[in-house]
Amino acid sequence: DQQVKQNSPSLSVQEGRISILNCDYTNSMFDYFLWYKKYPAEGPTFLISISSIKDKNEDGRFTVFLNKSAKHLSLHIVPSQPGDSAVYFCAARLFGNEKLTFGTGTRLTIIP
Amino acid sequence: DVKVTQSSRYLVKRTGEKVFLECVQDMDHENMFWYRQDPGLGLRLIYFSYDVKMKEKGDIPEGYSVSREKKERFSLILESASTNQTSMYLCASSSGTGNEKLLFGSGTQLSVL
Repeated sequence: DQQVKQNSPSLSVQEGRISILNCDYTNSMFDYFLWYKKYPAEGPTFLISISSIKDKNEDGRFTVFLNKSAKHLSLHIVPSQPGDSAVYFCAARLFGNEKLTFGTGTRLTIIP
Repeated sequence: DVKVTQSSRYLVKRTGEKVFLECVQDMDHENMFWYRQDPGLGLRLIYFSYDVKMKEKGDIPEGYSVSREKKERFSLILESASTNQTSMYLCASSSGTGNEKLLFGSGTQLSVL
């Protein structure tokens, strides 16, 4: 049973516009959420995270929003750049647990 | 430059072979993990380890085993490789101090023929 879901397998966005990637989860015991970015033939790299006590976290062009009541988080990238083309995974951690549960990923393509 | 190193980028094996995937981290991290990545399925946890000689099953441990004899090294073993184990294998580590960010290696693309 997939506890972390990314319902859009792919997304295409024009360069300079906003990219919005979405993630839904089912387990209300998740208390920490992360986004990872993955290029082909490389390992995922950490992008940004948010604790369940917050509803927003910002780092440069990247902002993550958390809606606990809807069990939904989103990653906003503004403005989108060609180098942002990659697969993005959201991940969640259970309270008191070190392991992460990942979503299925969204392939983002930035169109020049 | 701190990193997680996986010994092979690409590996081709025959069905029934015993396969060893090696992972080394140089950050003195307590926790180490093995994931596999498959299209449409994301990253799925196979096994993880909180300490030397400690191991715990993840979500898909069937057909795999692990070994952690030293803190810096975590090995994934495919006892008898099968074609459905063709995948990208990713090793990761974390400090275990409450820092939840996993640091990943570059991955090993394993093909079982």
